[in-house]
Amino acid sequence: IAGITQAPTSQILAAGRRMTLRCTQDMRHNAMYWYRQDLGLGLRLIHYSNTAGTTGKGEVPDGYSVSRANTDDFPLTLASAVPSQTSVYFCASSKQVNTGELFFGEGSRLTVL
Amino acid sequence: DAKTTQPNSMESNEEEPVHLPCNHSTISGTDYIHWYRQLPSQGPEYVIHGLTSNVNNRMASLAIAEDRKSSTLILHRATLRDAAVYYCILRDDDYKLSFGAGTTVTVRA
Repeated sequence: IAGITQAPTSQILAAGRRMTLRCTQDMRHNAMYWYRQDLGLGLRLIHYSNTAGTTGKGEVPDGYSVSRANTDDFPLTLASAVPSQTSVYFCASSKQVNTGELFFGEGSRLTVL
Repeated sequence: DAKTTQPNSMESNEEEPVHLPCNHSTISGTDYIHWYRQLPSQGPEYVIHGLTSNVNNRMASLAIAEDRKSSTLILHRATLRDAAVYYCILRDDDYKLSFGAGTTVTVRA
């Protein structure tokens, strides 16, 4: 059972470069989420999607964009990376957006120099 | 603003119970209380959730105060594999939920 698959696992990126973090789920969940985790700040929601074709902003959306072309995939794009976007990024999914258990991926560690 | 308040850290001995408190004094009637934990270098994983009644599952028990303004996650017999950060969060129609800093649990052999 794969669950949530994130790629890449780790990436070092020069500031100003474009980067897309990939997230795929095989549970046919309607809702998907992107979080970032920084030391001492817990996990903060970046963007979410209720269902395929819809997206919404979370707590810290600036500098990030997402798309939800189908149920399974929810990529997160940094159009022009900045050092403050150095973080560990977690993708998650749940059956519905406001109920049920969240399932998380293993994370993508991004370093922006 | 954070909806829940947890201690920063707790220590326990192996094979002993661990009681993790969480205060949520502004909880609304429709908020579910969820607990997740995050092991080192992994994504968070679901532990347990409840609304009003105490709940038990294979991982833990959740004791909810009668006024619902606080709850306690109980790990009945801590093992070294239970060393993790434990997050208490409220889940309702507000999907913009964040996890806060959680409680770091250390288990001594």
